Amino acid sequence: KAGVTQTPRYLIKTRGQQVTLSCSPISGHRSVSWYQQTPGQGLQFLFEYFSETQRNKGNFPGRFSGRQFSNSRSEMNVSTLELGDSALYLCASSPGTPGEGYTFGSGTRLTVV
Amino acid sequence: AQSVTQLGSHVSVSEGALVLLRCNYSSSVPPYLFWYVQYPNQGLQLLLKYTTGATLVKGINGFEAEFKKSETSFHLTKPSAHMSDAAEYFCAVSPATSGTYKYIFGTGTRLKVLA
Repeated sequence: KAGVTQTPRYLIKTRGQQVTLSCSPISGHRSVSWYQQTPGQGLQFLFEYFSETQRNKGNFPGRFSGRQFSNSRSEMNVSTLELGDSALYLCASSPGTPGEGYTFGSGTRLTVV
Repeated sequence: AQSVTQLGSHVSVSEGALVLLRCNYSSSVPPYLFWYVQYPNQGLQLLLKYTTGATLVKGINGFEAEFKKSETSFHLTKPSAHMSDAAEYFCAVSPATSGTYKYIFGTGTRLKVLA
């Protein structure tokens, strides 16, 4: 069974630019969640999509957005990048029912310069 | 609101010694509980989880955890540490009631194994 695939693995962007990250979940998983991981803040929940609908949202500014397609693949977008957006962005897929746990991708390392 | 506390951001043990990583949660209703491990530059991997049933849960790589409702704890243990266990470990909770599917993670404990 293929795992969770995140692309790209590494990304360097300039402040003010925008970026789109992609996540392909495990086949059959309908839920995709996104997390931002930084040394100072740990794992911060961004949002969760289930069957193309945003089901949960964290406390991030509107510059952070996402979407999910009919094949469950998900993208997240960050507009007007700031230096503080430098982080490891992790995608996690699950069947979408309580107690199942996540399968994480390897993450996208975003560096904003 | 639910929360997770991991005591000790860094833990060092000698190879072959007992590993004990602590996790306490706060919730009005016992939640689902998870332990994840993260190796450098990788995503998190599920070690084990507790949903219902037996309170002692066995996971991968020889780890186990015990759910203690009275202590609101879910500590992770391994009888004998191996060098390959060096990583960061995260405890997480998820509500056991339908309608909310957000997982809340602790701040992590970095385990160092000394030769």
